[in-house]
Amino acid sequence: DAGVTQSPTHLIKTRGQQVTLRCSPKSGHDTVSWYQQALGQGPQFIFQYYEEEERQRGNFPDRFSGHQFPNYSSELNVNALLLGDSALYLCASSLLKGGYEQYFGPGTRLTVT
Amino acid sequence: ELKVEQNPLFLSMQEGKNYTIYCNYSTTSDRLYWYRQDPGKSLESLFVLLSNGAVKQEGRLMASLDTKARLSTLHITAAVHDLSATYFCAVVLQYNNNDMRFGAGTRLTVKP
Repeated sequence: DAGVTQSPTHLIKTRGQQVTLRCSPKSGHDTVSWYQQALGQGPQFIFQYYEEEERQRGNFPDRFSGHQFPNYSSELNVNALLLGDSALYLCASSLLKGGYEQYFGPGTRLTVT
Repeated sequence: ELKVEQNPLFLSMQEGKNYTIYCNYSTTSDRLYWYRQDPGKSLESLFVLLSNGAVKQEGRLMASLDTKARLSTLHITAAVHDLSATYFCAVVLQYNNNDMRFGAGTRLTVKP
């Protein structure tokens, strides 16, 4: 049983560009949450998707958008990249009803130059 | 707004010693999580604490939750080098499964 997978592992982009990160949840899970972890800090909640809709959003600008597909996989898109967007982006999957565990993927390391 | 504070932020200890990491949070919460993160890696789930007075133990780590004091502790017994990592606590707002707030993390180094 594959756990949470993310792609790509590493990514280098230039300021102003756009990026798409991908996440496949753990088998049986229906909810995907995205987090940004800057170096030396704790993860910060970006948003969560369930049934292909954004259920809640953290304190992130509209440059951060997402999508969830019918197979529960998800994408995180960031437009107009800033140097401050450099971070480890973590995807976590869970079961919305009746589940307490959130399983994290290996993350995507984004570097903006 | 829910705030989560951990202390200490940095902890250097010798093998064989005991120590406790503290996690305070500011508003009522349904549950509290402890995660471990190795450098450059993702988060590994250690414990999920669901009710007041909950205590869970795995190996040399024991976590407890006091919802009245809004405090969780992670106790390390007879530390070994393999426990060196960053430990995060995270809290989910009551009745809100959507938003998990993390503490800043405690970077633990266990020296021989």
